[in-house]
Amino acid sequence: GEDVEQSLFLSVREGDSSVINCTYTDSSSTYLYWYKQEPGAGLQLLTYIFSNMDMKQDQRLTVLLNKKDKHLSLRIADTQTGDSAIYFCAEIRAGGTSYGKLTFGQGTILTVHP
Amino acid sequence: GAGVSQSPSNKVTEKGKDVELRCDPISGHTALYWYRQRLGQGLEFLIYFQGNSAPDKSGLPSDRFSAERTGESVSTLTIQRTQQEDSAVYLCASSLAGLDRGLSSYNSPLHFGNGTRLTVT
Repeated sequence: GEDVEQSLFLSVREGDSSVINCTYTDSSSTYLYWYKQEPGAGLQLLTYIFSNMDMKQDQRLTVLLNKKDKHLSLRIADTQTGDSAIYFCAEIRAGGTSYGKLTFGQGTILTVHP
Repeated sequence: GAGVSQSPSNKVTEKGKDVELRCDPISGHTALYWYRQRLGQGLEFLIYFQGNSAPDKSGLPSDRFSAERTGESVSTLTIQRTQQEDSAVYLCASSLAGLDRGLSSYNSPLHFGNGTRLTVT
C-alpha cells in the first residue's frame, strides 16, 4: 500500500536541534504538512511545503523535501521543553474525490530533556 | 469560539451500546473530515464531507459506523453496537477545501478539534 512512515521516538536535550524524518510513497503528493499534537489536544498545523519546493523556513522550523527520495524532514532549532509533543507528517494526494484529504504518518514522539 | 468543537470530550460506554459523536466545524468551512486515532498510532481517515454529501466514505471500518452532516455545518458520527476495538480518540477537522476550488484548495489547512475520547468497556 501507499504509506507515510516516520520513526516513532526522538529524544533530544534542550537547546539542541531536533530532526524528525518522514518518508512517503506517492509521487503525486502535492502538499506535505507537519502537525503537532500536545497531550489531550487536537492537531495543530505547524507548517507545510508544496511539492515543487526544496526547503521552507519559518522561524525555528525548517522543512526539507527530497522529492527524488520521497523524504521529508522537520528541523526544530533550539528545541525547548514546550516542543515535547507528537509530530505528524501528512500528505495530500492529487486527484480523486477527496480534495483536502490528508494521509498521516504514525507520528514521532519528541521528548525534550532539560 | 472560532475553532472546531467536538462533544463530548470523553465518552465511556458499554460494549453493544450505540454512541453519537458531534462535531461543530469552523463556520464557512465546506469540507469536514473524521479521523480516528488509536492509542500509540497515527490518524486513520474515516470519512470526508463536502457540504452535506460524503464523496469519500472509504475509511469507515464497518457498517456499524455512519456519519451525517446537516446544514453544511454540524456532523454526527454514529457507532452502533460498539466493540472494544472501537476505543480510540475520534478527531474531526474542517477546511475550506472544495471540489470547485482547484489546486488552491490543497493549501487550505485542516483545523482539528480536540477530539472525543471513546472508551468501550
